[in-house]
Amino acid sequence: NAGVTQTPKFRILKIGQSMTLQCTQDMNHNYMYWYRQDPGMGLKLIYYSVGAGITDKGEVPNGYNVSRSTTEDFPLRLELAAPSQTSVYFCASSSVGSETQYFGPGTRLLVL
Amino acid sequence: KNEVEQSPQNLTAQEGEFITINCSYSVGISALHWLQQHPGGGIVSLFMLSSGKKKHGRLIATINIQEKHSSLHITASHPRDSAVYICAPRRDSNYQLIWGAGTKLIIKP
Repeated sequence: NAGVTQTPKFRILKIGQSMTLQCTQDMNHNYMYWYRQDPGMGLKLIYYSVGAGITDKGEVPNGYNVSRSTTEDFPLRLELAAPSQTSVYFCASSSVGSETQYFGPGTRLLVL
Repeated sequence: KNEVEQSPQNLTAQEGEFITINCSYSVGISALHWLQQHPGGGIVSLFMLSSGKKKHGRLIATINIQEKHSSLHITASHPRDSAVYICAPRRDSNYQLIWGAGTKLIIKP
């Protein structure tokens, strides 16, 4: 049982480049989340989804896009990367009726 | 002012000591989570509580909704407890979590 997987583990981007952070869960969870964690700061919610085809903005959505075509996958797209997007990105999932979130290992992104 | 404040920010203790980490919040909440972030970065949920006290092994979490305060205690601390402990209250208005910055705990053998 892999839980929540994220790829890549680490990436360096140049300013203006784009990339997609992948997130997959195999627990059949309806809810999925994308967070960013800046050094010394709490996690901030970027986007979340309550099921396939349904996504909504979190606290810091600017500069990001998401899609949820299947229950398992919740990719996060960065368009026109900026140094302010240098962060560690975590994907998480939870099931209906349970508040416990299961986290992926994170993707460390450096924008130079 | 942050909606969630954790104290202390950093804590170093000797193996065996009783550890207390505090979390205060300023918004209306209906529940609160405690999570552990390992040195390698992985995040694991420890507790979700909405009243009173919960215990799991050597970990105890308490909450006082009226006083807007929660504590996480670790009894008989061990070096493997070294991690960042994160408090995340669930906002009443939209059920989203508000994440504290975390308390970095180091337990020395």
